[in-house]
Amino acid sequence: SQQGEEDPQALSIQEGENATMNCSYKTSINNLQWYRQNSGRGLVHLILIRSNEREKHSGRLRVTLDTSKKSSSLLITASRAADTASYFCATDLVGGSQGNLIFGKGTKLSVKP
Amino acid sequence: DGGITQSPKYLFRKEGQNVTLSCEQNLNHDAMYWYRQDPGQGLRLIYYSQIVNDFQKGDIAEGYSVSREKKESFPLTVTSAQKNPTAFYLCASNRGLGGRLDTEAFFGQGTRLTVV
Repeated sequence: SQQGEEDPQALSIQEGENATMNCSYKTSINNLQWYRQNSGRGLVHLILIRSNEREKHSGRLRVTLDTSKKSSSLLITASRAADTASYFCATDLVGGSQGNLIFGKGTKLSVKP
Repeated sequence: DGGITQSPKYLFRKEGQNVTLSCEQNLNHDAMYWYRQDPGQGLRLIYYSQIVNDFQKGDIAEGYSVSREKKESFPLTVTSAQKNPTAFYLCASNRGLGGRLDTEAFFGQGTRLTVV
């Protein structure tokens, strides 16, 4: 079952520009998480935002959550070539088996030097 | 260092053969998960376990089996009944039921399985 859907599917920008990725979901959540995956590797957790939070920052990352629109966005500021990766949102559903995360298909980000 | 380890990194399976993928964690996490990832796709849940000696089917459990005899270990067997097993397999763990609202998952580096 697909809960989170990222948009766009692919994004190509120049180094120094900001990158924005969006995630929409369908049912109520406990929290929403963003992960990063380098090609052929495992996922790395970036940031978690709880359902009662609206914005969260971590370094160059800024995540917003709008529960009324069932959507979240991930902003990477001043991007670097090393940010090139796929980014996934994952939702922890209310009423779901706690701890089970539902992943979207990801946004593939390419940052050109 | 604490973490989650998958082995092998690459695995080749002949038609009709069962193979087992290893996943070990030393994070003291209660919950462990197996996901399958196909090219350009998200992660699909195969099986999960919230506690030792208990596990549940995910969205695509057919053709797979698991065991959870120890807290640290959650091996996945890809059986001959899985008709299209070529994929990237990811194991993850988190605090599960004990994590309340903080269910950050830690992932292994994955096993790439290819049918030859």
